[in-house]
Amino acid sequence: QKEVEQNSGPLSVPEGAIASLNCTYSDRGSQSFFWYRQYSGKSPELIMFIYSNGDKEDGRFTAQLNKASQYVSLLIRDSQPSDSATYLCAVLKTSYDKVIFGPGTSLSVIP
Amino acid sequence: DAGVTQSPTHLIKTRGQQVTLRCSPKSGHDTVSWYQQALGQGPQFIFQYYEEEERQRGNFPDRFSGHQFPNYSSELNVNALLLGDSALYLCASSLLVYNEQFFGPGTRLTVL
Repeated sequence: QKEVEQNSGPLSVPEGAIASLNCTYSDRGSQSFFWYRQYSGKSPELIMFIYSNGDKEDGRFTAQLNKASQYVSLLIRDSQPSDSATYLCAVLKTSYDKVIFGPGTSLSVIP
Repeated sequence: DAGVTQSPTHLIKTRGQQVTLRCSPKSGHDTVSWYQQALGQGPQFIFQYYEEEERQRGNFPDRFSGHQFPNYSSELNVNALLLGDSALYLCASSLLVYNEQFFGPGTRLTVL
């Protein structure tokens, strides 16, 4: 089992729809969870981070964390073509030793 | 407020050579982590530096080494380059080891 897994893409949604990106992790004691957006040929850009169970909203983005299920998700409301990118889930492992990234999910928002 | 900077942007080397990549962290940050990202994959953790010491290391051979300077900038050195070392090398900085990380633009290394 990989340490951080993400739903396989590519994911295509029409403009204006809700995009749902999912991530699971294996280390039950993981402390912090991050979502990064990476455009082709660019470096990852931090979108959101979440530490506590529940939802965290920032503009069109909502991160959801369920530590019991070892699951974290990112919802993008009113998706725009500019949201087309690869979304990386990252997890800070127990004892704050290192951040592990998932393989990423490619999102395409169709005008 | 300057973000994370990396140099050089691109680099072409041949097998067996050695390379040094450089990173300056975001202002106010004291921790630097290095990642290798192959095409189509997520970043793979190489190592992390805090207080001028290597604090954590991923599954990379000893050919990969690093250093952190008193001003928190950092270097990544790779010896005896292999074709498989071709990748985007990312530097990320944070305040302390457990806060959110911010990435630099990366260095694209090509080994021929």
